[in-house]
Amino acid sequence: QQPVQSPQAVILREGEDAVINCSSSKALYSVHWYRQKHGEAPVFLMILLKGGEQKGHEKISASFNEKKQQSSLYLTASQLSYSGTYFCGTEVLEGFQKLVFGTGTRLLVSP
Amino acid sequence: DGGITQSPKYLFRKEGQNVTLSCEQNLNHDAMYWYRQDPGQGLRLIYYSQIVNDFQKGDIAEGYSVSREKKESFPLTVTSAQKNPTAFYLCASSIDPSVNDGYTFGSGTRLTVV
Repeated sequence: QQPVQSPQAVILREGEDAVINCSSSKALYSVHWYRQKHGEAPVFLMILLKGGEQKGHEKISASFNEKKQQSSLYLTASQLSYSGTYFCGTEVLEGFQKLVFGTGTRLLVSP
Repeated sequence: DGGITQSPKYLFRKEGQNVTLSCEQNLNHDAMYWYRQDPGQGLRLIYYSQIVNDFQKGDIAEGYSVSREKKESFPLTVTSAQKNPTAFYLCASSIDPSVNDGYTFGSGTRLTVV
């Protein structure tokens, strides 16, 4: 049930772009994206809902392919502050809508 | 400012002891959650609660217990039955699952068995 994230780690230079993918084996109601700095709490970035609605961060975009049960997070013109571990969380269609998180993608942006 | 407060930030437990981690929120959120995070891994759901006086087991509930007597509070007890409790514990809340909004997380409690 745990979604699979790829890649596991990314190293970028400031200004470069990155894509992080999240894939589920189950039909999804929504996908959340969070960023966690070392030793801190995860911070909500974006939610993508079945049907196309999105809510979230101004400078980060994402897509949700319902048929493929996949989501991608697009980090463009990366900044040093983008460094951290990115988690996707998925809500499945049945039952109470609780998040199941992927194992994370570690992103390091260097000067 | 509204938010979630977890305490203590660091906790040391002797083997065989029960310990309770506190989680308080002033966001007026209905749903609350406990997650466990191990080094280099994602977050795994321990327990969750949709409303007061109701809670459900998550994926790794064995060795843990919770209560939800007040809307603001969702304490987690790590019992002696939990064989490997050393981890980072995160409490989260959401306004209502039907509202489709993100979770707010507390700053976590790092539990170490000594």
